[in-house]
Amino acid sequence: NAGVMQNPRHLVRRRGQEARLRCSPMKGHSHVYWYRQLPEEGLKFMVYLQKENIIDESGMPKERFSAEFPKEGPSILRIQQVVRGDSAAYFCASSPRAWGREEAFFGQGTRLTVV
Amino acid sequence: TQLLEQSPQFLSIQEGENLTVYCNSSSVFSSLQWYRQEPGEGPVLLVTVVTGGEVKKLKRLTFQFGDARKDSSLHITAAQPGDTGLYLCAGGGTQGGSEKLVFGKGTKLTVNP
Repeated sequence: NAGVMQNPRHLVRRRGQEARLRCSPMKGHSHVYWYRQLPEEGLKFMVYLQKENIIDESGMPKERFSAEFPKEGPSILRIQQVVRGDSAAYFCASSPRAWGREEAFFGQGTRLTVV
Repeated sequence: TQLLEQSPQFLSIQEGENLTVYCNSSSVFSSLQWYRQEPGEGPVLLVTVVTGGEVKKLKRLTFQFGDARKDSSLHITAAQPGDTGLYLCAGGGTQGGSEKLVFGKGTKLTVNP
């Protein structure tokens, strides 16, 4: 999974600030998925994007959260006006085609702490 | 909503013992994947099974996909301290209009030397 790059690895924000999490997929991968993981929990789906399109955002809170995957550059998960409950590890994964039978590779995650 | 239940949630064993962890659902999945995650790291894919009844072996690890493609098991023979980690199963399928992976909460395995 070293091919999927996420930065920063650790991010500390005060309540009310904005958090921007970046994900560069593996070369040749045009499908990106964002997941959130709380301590001692599994991963919860947030959003699925292809280049310039949001395919499925059913797992992402309607307020304060947004995601994009521009034609050039990394995918960005943006959290506005962060609250303590947003503290979690955020992982992105990429795959060459839609999931189902395709293998996907995860990045090392961004650990967001809201103080 | 497709849900995956993993059991046990926690498992602590001695080096050399065998163990099995389970991943169960009432839903049918097109594929079932197992991941291992170490603290502070992202999940690393161990195996993907796609055919009902399929068995795959990876050194001391044996993975099985249920005949009905609703459940899976992971068996580790002669566990070693290096096997310590969080084992996650994930089912692939269409939910909410797109294909995605649904994860279980994981089994936290500790192998004591």
